[in-house]
Amino acid sequence: AQSVTQLGSHVSVSEGALVLLRCNYSSSVPPYLFWYVQYPNQGLQLLLKYTTGATLVKGINGFEAEFKKSETSFHLTKPSAHMSDAAEYFCAVSLTGTASKLTFGTGTRLQVTL
Amino acid sequence: GAVVSQHPSWVICKSGTSVKIECRSLDFQATTMFWYRQFPKQSLMLMATSNEGSKATYEQGVEKDKFLINHASLTLSTLTVTSAHPEDSSFYICSARDRAGREGLYEQYFGPGTRLTVT
Repeated sequence: AQSVTQLGSHVSVSEGALVLLRCNYSSSVPPYLFWYVQYPNQGLQLLLKYTTGATLVKGINGFEAEFKKSETSFHLTKPSAHMSDAAEYFCAVSLTGTASKLTFGTGTRLQVTL
Repeated sequence: GAVVSQHPSWVICKSGTSVKIECRSLDFQATTMFWYRQFPKQSLMLMATSNEGSKATYEQGVEKDKFLINHASLTLSTLTVTSAHPEDSSFYICSARDRAGREGLYEQYFGPGTRLTVT
C-alpha cells in the first residue's frame, strides 16, 4: 500500500518569494510521484511527475520537484511566487504509473500575498 | 490534446432523485476511467475504476448500488447517483487513461469536475 503526507494544509508566501510545498510518501515499491494543481471549482492539472531517471523534475509554470529516496520526499518548489500560483496543490503517488490508482495527499493551499 | 469533459458542470437535485454525470475523453480513447469524490477543502478520494466493456471496480466503502458506473464506449463513462441524499453533495471528478500510452507511459487526464448539490 502507498500513502502520501503533505505537511501544512496552508502555506502563505509573498509574491516573489520562494515556494516550498512538502510531500512525503510511503511505498513498498519504487513509486511514481506526481504534483497536481487545482484552481477553484476546476479539475486537476498535472504540474510534474517523477517516474524513473533524473531525480530533479521540472514542470510547468516554473515549478520543480526533487525525488529523494533516502528522505522519502518529493517536495515542490518554485524560486519566485506569482499571484497566479495561488491554488490548491496535491501530491500523489502511484505504484505502477498513472495507469494504476493514484493516492492523493490532503492538499496544500498556497496563498500569495503582495 | 488529451481533453476530458464532464457534464453537467453543476447540478442541483432534490433528495430521492437520481442524477447522471457524464465523463468524455474528447480527443483520445480511454479504456479506463476513474471517478473521484472531493469534499470541500479535502483531497480526492477514489470511488471506482471504470473499464470499457466491463463492470466497474469499486473502492472499499463505496456503495456500488448507489453509485452506478457505466463505461459503454472508449470515450464515455457515466456515474449515476441513485436516490440522492444531501450527504451525497460533493464535487465529483473523473479522469481518463489514454489508451495510446503517450510518451510510453499511460497518462491520466482529469475532467473539470461536477458539483452536485442535493436539497
